[in-house]
Amino acid sequence: AQSVTQLDSHVSVSEGTPVLLRCNYSSSYSPSLFWYVQHPNKGLQLLLKYTSAATLVKGINGFEAEFKKSETSFHLTKPSAHMSDAAEYFCVVSEIEGNTPLVFGKGTRLSVIA
Amino acid sequence: DTGVSQNPRHKITKRGQNVTFRCDPISEHNRLYWYRQTLGQGPEFLTYFQNEAQLEKSRLLSDRFSAERPKGSFSTLEIQRTEQGDSAMYLCASRSGTRGVDFGPGTRLLVL
Repeated sequence: AQSVTQLDSHVSVSEGTPVLLRCNYSSSYSPSLFWYVQHPNKGLQLLLKYTSAATLVKGINGFEAEFKKSETSFHLTKPSAHMSDAAEYFCVVSEIEGNTPLVFGKGTRLSVIA
Repeated sequence: DTGVSQNPRHKITKRGQNVTFRCDPISEHNRLYWYRQTLGQGPEFLTYFQNEAQLEKSRLLSDRFSAERPKGSFSTLEIQRTEQGDSAMYLCASRSGTRGVDFGPGTRLLVL
């Protein structure tokens, strides 16, 4: 069975400092992995997606994530946080992309302090 | 607007009433998903369709819940005899090809 664990329920950073949101996954296959962002009262937006191509994936708004099979991790990073990055972030796995539903982590709330 | 749309955006109902939500996916997307999100949690999978065929249902989908996608285009999710525990955001999503899944804005249900 597939699952994801987001290691921090809340992360707080100062504006202009790096962001690290941690995610570990479990899957019987070579999974597809995603990060989605949800701003307050807004819909879920895809940040980036890994599907067995390059292990370092670049997404929108300066975010990137690195797939590390040996560590079963897919951490999300950004070099410099902006106030507009404050939101809920979800790490998501799909065991067989297109044939199994997306499984979401519980989310990490990112706060950015001015 | 070519995104996924959902109606209504908000629904308040009394316990025991039936409610129905509609989802209009992106037109060329053949897969359609329903998820439920409660406060402080990630979305939980309910069911999904490939065209008009319902391929998988979560155990979260009790017999009070039914979903249809009669012509492989829009979908409806009906909850019969609503309970307070059904209060949540109901999300619809659609997908085609190798893109990530596109989510709609959700329908927020409050059962009083």
